[in-house]
Amino acid sequence: DAGVIQSPRHEVTEMGQEVTLRCKPISGHDYLFWYRQTMMRGLELLIYFNNNVPIDDSGMPEDRFSAKMPNASFSTLKIQPSEPRDSAVYFCASSLAALIAQETQYFGPGTRLLVL
Amino acid sequence: GIQVEQSPPDLILQEGANSTLRCNFSDSVNNLQWFHQNPWGQLINLFYIPSGTKQNGRLSATTVATERYSLLYISSSQTTDSGVYFCAGAMKTSYDKVIFGPGTSLSVIP
Repeated sequence: DAGVIQSPRHEVTEMGQEVTLRCKPISGHDYLFWYRQTMMRGLELLIYFNNNVPIDDSGMPEDRFSAKMPNASFSTLKIQPSEPRDSAVYFCASSLAALIAQETQYFGPGTRLLVL
Repeated sequence: GIQVEQSPPDLILQEGANSTLRCNFSDSVNNLQWFHQNPWGQLINLFYIPSGTKQNGRLSATTVATERYSLLYISSSQTTDSGVYFCAGAMKTSYDKVIFGPGTSLSVIP
């Protein structure tokens, strides 16, 4: 398997623009996670899905952020409108089953977002 | 309060040296994991270690759940060990909600 695939790898945009980040989890994995990494706040869980259903989105910073998983092989994280403070590395991760079952999360390479 | 703490925040080692990284976690967190983020940003899971000891090559980890800490041992360090080591735990109220510590930044110099 190719692992978790994220696109784009780098994104530079201007404040106010819409940004869409994409993720393809490992085939057969039931769980998908979106994380954000910044120097100030470290790694934060934004939202996670189980079988395409959002389970916990309490980490989503505000209404400008939304995430969808229309099918088992694709998820998007959208920021509209984007702001400079959204600049970060956004990681997608997937796992075969729940963490409680000792399943490992596999991380994608991340999308480095810069909002000017 | 802070749920996952790590020490030291930074560490510089000579190649071949051994080191111990520590993670303290609050009673609202369990199911500890250790991750390594390499200098290119890739995150790799090293251990899932809710309790006990596990070893994988030059790395080993021990979690004492009753005392709420975990240790990661790196023996005979190599330059490829450089990067940031994170411990992470799952919230007891939501088993798949993972909370990461701030990380230990390790630099191994030849």
